[in-house]
Amino acid sequence: GAGVSQSPSNKVTEKGKDVELRCDPISGHTALYWYRQSLGQGLEFLIYFQGNSAPDKSGLPSDRFSAERTGGSVSTLTIQRTQQEDSAVYLCASSLGSSNQPQHFGDGTRLSIL
Amino acid sequence: EDQVTQSPEALRLQEGESSSLNCSYTVSGLRGLFWYRQDPGKGPEFLFTLYSAGEEKEKERLKATLTKKESFLHITAPKPEDSATYLCAVQAMMRGSTLGRLYFGRGTQLTVWP
Repeated sequence: GAGVSQSPSNKVTEKGKDVELRCDPISGHTALYWYRQSLGQGLEFLIYFQGNSAPDKSGLPSDRFSAERTGGSVSTLTIQRTQQEDSAVYLCASSLGSSNQPQHFGDGTRLSIL
Repeated sequence: EDQVTQSPEALRLQEGESSSLNCSYTVSGLRGLFWYRQDPGKGPEFLFTLYSAGEEKEKERLKATLTKKESFLHITAPKPEDSATYLCAVQAMMRGSTLGRLYFGRGTQLTVWP
C-alpha cells in the first residue's frame, strides 16, 4: 500500500509497562509527525521529524515519552512506565519535506492502559 | 495561545439538506488551513488546503472557503456516505524549521440520514 502504515493497530497493556509504537511513512516523505487523539479531545501534536532529527520535542507530555527515526523512514514512539492517562489513539502522519504540504495520516494505534 | 474552534459540535442533516460547518482560528504565522474527514476507527483523510483569504476549493459535494479569521465547509445535497467527523487544522511555523505543525479543532460530527 502507498499510505502511512502504523503498528500495532491495537495495544492493551498494564500500567507501568513500556510500549513501542511504529510508523512507516509514505515513501519519499521526509517529514514525519506524531499526534495523540484522546476521547473528546482534538488531535494533540507530540513531535515531528525532519529526516532523522527532531527539532521540536516540546509537544511530548512527559519524559516518559521518546521517539526516534532511523534511515529517514520508520519511526518509533516509546512510552515508558505507562499510566492510565496515556490511553489514547496515537496517530502518525507524513508529508513532503516542504511547508504547506498536507500531512497524510495512518489509521493509528489504539493504546489502552489497564 | 493558538486556537482553532469548530462549530457546531454535531450536525444532523436529512439527505439533500445543504449546510455549512465553521472553523474559526487565531494563530500567528499562518501557513495554511486544512480540512480533513475522519471516519470511526480511521485516521484523518485529507480533503483541502487553503492558503489565502478568498480562496475556494471544491470536491464533489464539498466546498471550502477561507477568510482572514475563519473557514467554512459547505456541503451541498449531502448523502448518507458523507457522514463523518470533519476536522479543521491550521498550520503555523515551528522554530528552526520551514515545516509547520498542525493545530486541530475538535471537529464537527456530521450525520446524514436518508
